[in-house]
Amino acid sequence: GAVVSQHPSWVICKSGTSVKIECRSLDFQATTMFWYRQFPKQSLMLMATSNEGSKATYEQGVEKDKFLINHASLTLSTLTVTSAHPEDSSFYICSVGVLAKNIQYFGAGTRLSVL
Amino acid sequence: GQQVMQIPQYQHVQEGEDFTTYCNSSTTLSNIQWYKQRPGGHPVFLIQLVKSGEVKKQKRLTFQFGEAKKNSSLHITATQTTDVGTYFCAGSNFGNEKLTFGTGTRLTIIP
Repeated sequence: GAVVSQHPSWVICKSGTSVKIECRSLDFQATTMFWYRQFPKQSLMLMATSNEGSKATYEQGVEKDKFLINHASLTLSTLTVTSAHPEDSSFYICSVGVLAKNIQYFGAGTRLSVL
Repeated sequence: GQQVMQIPQYQHVQEGEDFTTYCNSSTTLSNIQWYKQRPGGHPVFLIQLVKSGEVKKQKRLTFQFGEAKKNSSLHITATQTTDVGTYFCAGSNFGNEKLTFGTGTRLTIIP
């Protein structure tokens, strides 16, 4: 399967600051990546689909201006949480979609704590 | 929108006992996938089922896709402490890469 690297693994930031999370596909050219958010003891909720070279597709209820996604190359997608607030504290996970198999391979996730 | 529910939400079993989690979708799926997430970890792909009524086995794990392609199950025989984690099913619709994750079943093992 695809090897996905996500960085940082955890971050603590002050309220009002912005945080950038990187998701890299190390061995697979990913035209599509996905960003999920997972609150403690809950399921994964899809935030957006990141498309290489075009705008991301956001799920209903996810603020585009709050969660900026950039997918400038076939190996890198970034999620920027802008003006983070404590309620944004969560586990953010990216995945690479292998279209031919319709399977997703996940990064290790980023734990964000906003103070 | 599509909803995928799993039962039970939690399951505590003695080591050596069997375990089953059930997954039900509100819509017909093109395929269903199962993932395992260890505590503090990320989801790891286990298997994908595509055909109606399909049954697949991985050692002690048996996966089944319902005839109507709206439900699925995962059965673990003789659980071990390494089976601890949350098991998620995830379904997708035809022509759509997006996965809708189930609510998950958290399995804990009593040694």
